[in-house]
Amino acid sequence: AQSVTQPDIHITVSEGASLELRCNYSYGATPYLFWYVQSPGQGLQLLLKYFSGDTLVQGIKGFEAEFKRSQSSFNLRKPSVHWSDAAEYFCAVGELAAGNKLTFGGGTRVLVKP
Amino acid sequence: GAVVSQHPSRVICKSGTSVKIECRSLDFQATTMFWYRQFPKKSLMLMATSNEGSKATYEQGVEKDKFLINHASLTLSTLTVTSAHPEDSSFYICSAPPGGNTEAFFGQGTRLTVV
Repeated sequence: AQSVTQPDIHITVSEGASLELRCNYSYGATPYLFWYVQSPGQGLQLLLKYFSGDTLVQGIKGFEAEFKRSQSSFNLRKPSVHWSDAAEYFCAVGELAAGNKLTFGGGTRVLVKP
Repeated sequence: GAVVSQHPSRVICKSGTSVKIECRSLDFQATTMFWYRQFPKKSLMLMATSNEGSKATYEQGVEKDKFLINHASLTLSTLTVTSAHPEDSSFYICSAPPGGNTEAFFGQGTRLTVV
């Protein structure tokens, strides 16, 4: 069975600093990988996804992620964080064959200091 | 992109009553929809897969009689929380895949509070 691990429960970063959120997955086949963001009390917004092709994926809001098969990782990065990036971030692995049933990581809460 | 609408966004109900949550795909047909649950400050856990025209597939540990799922048409799945109790209070969110090589789209979620 697939699983997703986000090692960092909380990360605090200063506004303008860079951000990297870690994600490791376990999956038997080629994974379909996603990063979602959730603001307090809100639903999920898709930041980016990886299905195939270029392993460096660009997303919305200035985020990018790199798929590294050898490390089973899909880390999310942003060069310069804005206060509005404070939120909960979820990494997920999906089964396209099962119509995109997703397994989520535990989430990382990002706090942005002024 | 494809749109999935979930209703209601918030509901407060009394203990012992039942609550129905709807998930609609507005501009595509979905033979499959997924229901997730999110406890406060926790991640999302898949509860069940809703299948149009057949029974839902529940994940291990999810009570079928407690969480009734009906996928009556190609655009609508409903989740009914029966005889709700305070421990059922949670954020419930659905998703639906449009098909093909693309991701599933999420509804806005429903925050259920049982008092």
